[in-house]
Amino acid sequence: EVQLVESGGGLVQPGGSLRLSCAASGFTLSNYAMNWVRQAPGKGLKWVSSISGSGGSGGTYYTDSVKGRFTISRDNSMNTLYLQMNSLTAEDTAIYYCARSDLGDYWGQGTLVTVSS
Amino acid sequence: DIQMTQSPSSLSASVGDRVTITCRASQGISNNLAWFQQKPGVAPKSLIAAASSLQSGVPSKFSGSGSGTDFTLTISSLQPEDFATYYCQQYHIYPLTFGGGTKVEIK
Repeated sequence: EVQLVESGGGLVQPGGSLRLSCAASGFTLSNYAMNWVRQAPGKGLKWVSSISGSGGSGGTYYTDSVKGRFTISRDNSMNTLYLQMNSLTAEDTAIYYCARSDLGDYWGQGTLVTVSS
Repeated sequence: DIQMTQSPSSLSASVGDRVTITCRASQGISNNLAWFQQKPGVAPKSLIAAASSLQSGVPSKFSGSGSGTDFTLTISSLQPEDFATYYCQQYHIYPLTFGGGTKVEIK
C-alpha cells in the first residue's frame, strides 16, 4: 500500500527555517517525480516544488515565490523526500502536502506550517 | 505559466443530479490534466489522470473528457459523499498549475 507521511511543520517566526519530511512507503521513491503542494488557510492548491524521478533529468523545479529560499531533496536510502524552507514569511503559512508524480496519484495527509511572531 | 480556469467556482445541486465542471487551459496541454476531490480538513484525492483515465478505486460515476485546452469533469448522479471541492491541474509543463477549484454544495 502506498503511503506518504509528512512531518516537520510547526510555528516559526518570520525569517526562520523549517525542514519538512515526507516518508514514503509501498513504493521506491527514487523511481518517481515527487512534488510539494501547499494550501493557505481557506485557499486553493498551489504547487511549490518538484524533483524528477530516476528516469528523468534529475532536475528540481520551484515556483517563483520560493526560488532561492526553498530546497527540495530526497534520501533514497531512507525513501524520504524533504523540503528545506529558509527565510520564511507570513505568506508561506499553509498546509504542505507531498504528492507522488506530477499527476498527483497519491498524497500525504499534510503538515501545517505557521509563520508568525 | 499556464493558467487553469475552472467554472463555475461554486454550484448547488441535489442528490441524483448530473454535474459538470469545466476547466480551460490558457494554452494547449494535450491530455496532461488531472482532477482531484478535496473534502474539508482532508488531503486531496486523485480522481482522474490523463484527462479521462479513472484512478484505481474511483467509482465510475466520475468521468473526464477533453484535450488541448478544454476539459470537463462529470459526476453522473451526485451522492451525499460527493459534496466537496474539485480541482483540475495541468502537468504538461512546469510550473504545475491548478484551477481555482469548484465547490459543490447541497441544494
